[in-house]
Amino acid sequence: AQSVSQHNHHVILSEAASLELGCNYSYGGTVNLFWYVQYPGQHLQLLLKYFSGDPLVKGIKGFEAEFIKSKFSFNLRKPSVQWSDTAEYFCAVPSTGGGNKLTFGTGTQLKVEL
Amino acid sequence: DTGVSQDPRHKITKRGQNVTFRCDPISEHNRLYWYRQTLGQGPEFLTYFQNEAQLEKSRLLSDRFSAERPKGSFSTLEIQRTEQGDSAMYLCASSFLNQPQHFGDGTRLSIL
Repeated sequence: AQSVSQHNHHVILSEAASLELGCNYSYGGTVNLFWYVQYPGQHLQLLLKYFSGDPLVKGIKGFEAEFIKSKFSFNLRKPSVQWSDTAEYFCAVPSTGGGNKLTFGTGTQLKVEL
Repeated sequence: DTGVSQDPRHKITKRGQNVTFRCDPISEHNRLYWYRQTLGQGPEFLTYFQNEAQLEKSRLLSDRFSAERPKGSFSTLEIQRTEQGDSAMYLCASSFLNQPQHFGDGTRLSIL
């Protein structure tokens, strides 16, 4: 079965600091990869996705992620965070067996301080 | 795009009672998913439909859980004889086939 690991459970940064959140998945075949974000009091929203092609994908609000197949990783990055980026971030990958049902990591709670 | 709608937002009930949640997906989406999320964890897959057909159920979905999507539009998730361990956020998501899923706000279930 597919599994997803997010290494950082809580991250606290000051505004303008750079961000990198780790995500590793277990399946070695063709994968689609997702980062979702949940702002306080809101529903999960798609931040960015990788289906194929350029391994560096750009999402909304200045976020990007790099797919490194050899490392089974899909780390999320942002050069300069803002207070409004305070949220919980989830990495997800479709489970094996079809249907595009998602396996999520445990999430990373990011707090950006002014 | 009016988004995925879930009702109710919160449900508090006594142990042993039955509860039912509703999900209205985005209208042109043919797939509908149910997930459960507990504190400190990511969402966990429960079941999904393509149109009105329930195509897969997770082993997390005990016999006390049943889901329907009778006309391929809205879906209901019923939990019978609720237990303390059922306390969680129940999330619904929809998509068109393998396109990215759109999530609702969830129904938070608390069992007294």
